[in-house]
Amino acid sequence: EVQLVESGGDLVQPGGSLRLSCAASGFTFSSYWMTWVRQAPGKGLEWVANIKQDGSEKNYVDSVKGRFTISRDNARNSLFLQMTSLSGDDTAVYYCARPLTEENSAYRAVNYWGQGTLVTVSS
Amino acid sequence: DIVVTQSPDSLAVSLGERATINCKSSQSVLWSRNNQNYLAWFRQKPGQPPQLLIYWASTRESGVPDRFSGSGSGTDFTLTIGSLQAEDVAVYYCQQYYSIPLTFGQGTKVEVK
Repeated sequence: EVQLVESGGDLVQPGGSLRLSCAASGFTFSSYWMTWVRQAPGKGLEWVANIKQDGSEKNYVDSVKGRFTISRDNARNSLFLQMTSLSGDDTAVYYCARPLTEENSAYRAVNYWGQGTLVTVSS
Repeated sequence: DIVVTQSPDSLAVSLGERATINCKSSQSVLWSRNNQNYLAWFRQKPGQPPQLLIYWASTRESGVPDRFSGSGSGTDFTLTIGSLQAEDVAVYYCQQYYSIPLTFGQGTKVEVK
């Protein structure tokens, strides 16, 4: 059974940093692009970033470029999101997600999602 | 960035009746090389992560009831719930995955009339 479990969400002050983790199991993690999607409280979904199987390609939404870094550790079946210079606009539930297939493409729908981890940026 | 716009923002449908949600992208998401539309539909129930319903605009994900169907091509797409069930009360999102950043519509809230 595919499982994605996010962790690391917390209350952090504006300007602060946080590192989110996603533990994957039930599939060959190293064979899939992986994605982070976020959802502000009561709002819609926003795609944040994705990363290639070997970590050699990464894509970001403009609003997080230069502040967030997506990475992965295939030996530990883990996905990460390092977040810096946080502001209130980054307050959201952050979801880790996996695409349908093992294809080498950043352009695929995701069909497995974790339950999310809440990041709150507030003083 | 491709802007994805859904309509309506909300709708109320009687149980057993049809619900239709529209999704429009600011540019075509049809890739000519494989003739595929890079468009997905998700359902999100309260307190849960989204669930993939439809991908490639019209391919139903495994396990998704056949009352859900997707149609359209290019820039205009539709999700149809053929016979609304109580468990379909949720927010529905379309997403284009043709171009980075992959963008979602704003969501359509479906309620029971």
